[in-house]
Amino acid sequence: KAGVTQTPRYLIKTRGQQVTLSCSPISGHRSVSWYQQTPGQGLQFLFEYFSETQRNKGNFPGRFSGRQFSNSRSEMNVSTLELGDSALYLCASIPDSTGELFFGEGSRLTVL
Amino acid sequence: GESVGLHLPTLSVQEGDNSIINCAYSNSASDYFIWYKQESGKGPQFIIDIRSNMDKRQGQRVTVLLNKTVKHLSLQIAATQPGDSAVYFCAENWGYGQNFVFGPGTRLSVLP
Repeated sequence: KAGVTQTPRYLIKTRGQQVTLSCSPISGHRSVSWYQQTPGQGLQFLFEYFSETQRNKGNFPGRFSGRQFSNSRSEMNVSTLELGDSALYLCASIPDSTGELFFGEGSRLTVL
Repeated sequence: GESVGLHLPTLSVQEGDNSIINCAYSNSASDYFIWYKQESGKGPQFIIDIRSNMDKRQGQRVTVLLNKTVKHLSLQIAATQPGDSAVYFCAENWGYGQNFVFGPGTRLSVLP
């Protein structure tokens, strides 16, 4: 069974730009969560999608948004990038039955 | 690894010894807990989970203990091996959905 796939793995942007990150969950998983990981703040919850609906949202500004498609693939978007948005963005795929998070390898975003 | 805290608490143990990693969680209403291991350059990997109706759960070489009275979790690793070197996170969840709150992490260093 293929794991969680995140693309791109690495990217560099400049302040003010926007970025879109993609996540393909494990086949059969309908729930996807996104987390931001930084050295200073650790792992912080961004949002969760289940069957194309946002089910939960963390405490991040409106510049951070996401969506989920009918095939459960998810994207997150960050607009008007700031230096502090530099982080590892992790996507987690969750089976209906257990609630355990299966993480991808992450997308490392550097904002210059 | 580069994606996790630069000043994490570090536990150094000799290869073959047992390791105990502690975590204080934040919400007395949390009812599901997971321990994750994160190696450098990778996403967090599930180790073991426990629900609030249990106080102990064992896996292969790992045991999780839950003390709800003092909101404390511990992860015990038996016969620690070099491959166990990583950052370990506890995560708690309550209520609806899959928005986990992660602890700051502990870096485990296994000495030869």
